[in-house]
Amino acid sequence: LAKTTQPISMDSYEGQEVNITCSHNNIATNDYITWYQQFPSQGPRFIIQGYKTKVTNEVASLFIPADRKSSTLSLPRVSLSDTAVYYCLVGLNQAGTALIFGKGTTLSVSS
Amino acid sequence: GAVVSQHPSWVICKSGTSVKIECRSLDFQATTMFWYRQFPKQSLMLMATSNEGSKATYEQGVEKDKFLINHASLTLSTLTVTSAHPEDSSFYICSARLPGQGNSPLHFGNGTRLTVT
Repeated sequence: LAKTTQPISMDSYEGQEVNITCSHNNIATNDYITWYQQFPSQGPRFIIQGYKTKVTNEVASLFIPADRKSSTLSLPRVSLSDTAVYYCLVGLNQAGTALIFGKGTTLSVSS
Repeated sequence: GAVVSQHPSWVICKSGTSVKIECRSLDFQATTMFWYRQFPKQSLMLMATSNEGSKATYEQGVEKDKFLINHASLTLSTLTVTSAHPEDSSFYICSARLPGQGNSPLHFGNGTRLTVT
């Protein structure tokens, strides 16, 4: 399973755009990149996933360069409620396949 | 809405007793479920893969006789912490994928906070 590296922590202010980059140099051909958000005492919540180029949904965008060795989660105009731990996971999104969590990035949003 | 449900959300037990945690897939059948454990200020650690109708697969270092997993139906997996001790106090989280999709992300339950006194 591909190992991921993220910044341990990031700070931001309300209304700013936040970009969290994840490195996954040994990503395999069939691996997908998935990002999760976790609040204290809750299970991780799916944010977005992608394979290549750019993916956008109602809460975030995911940018993946052509070599797929990294990815960037972009959160537009963060609010205080976006304070959480964000995990980047790389692996097969197939039945029977678990995902291994790295250390994640603790995002702190201030007013 | 939630696709994976856990029960209970928190439990306190005395040292030496056993505790059962349930993980249910809502409105879908999950032949495979995954159990994770998370200690304070740490990341999630995969404990085991629960397979319906067969034995669970445990990660290295996880005692299968201590953490009993039963996946008796396609919508329910249970994790029983036997003879619990204070060091087993942790946040236990299960997950599953929606079936029938070639690319399906993991969906997680809301976790169970276990405190052993």
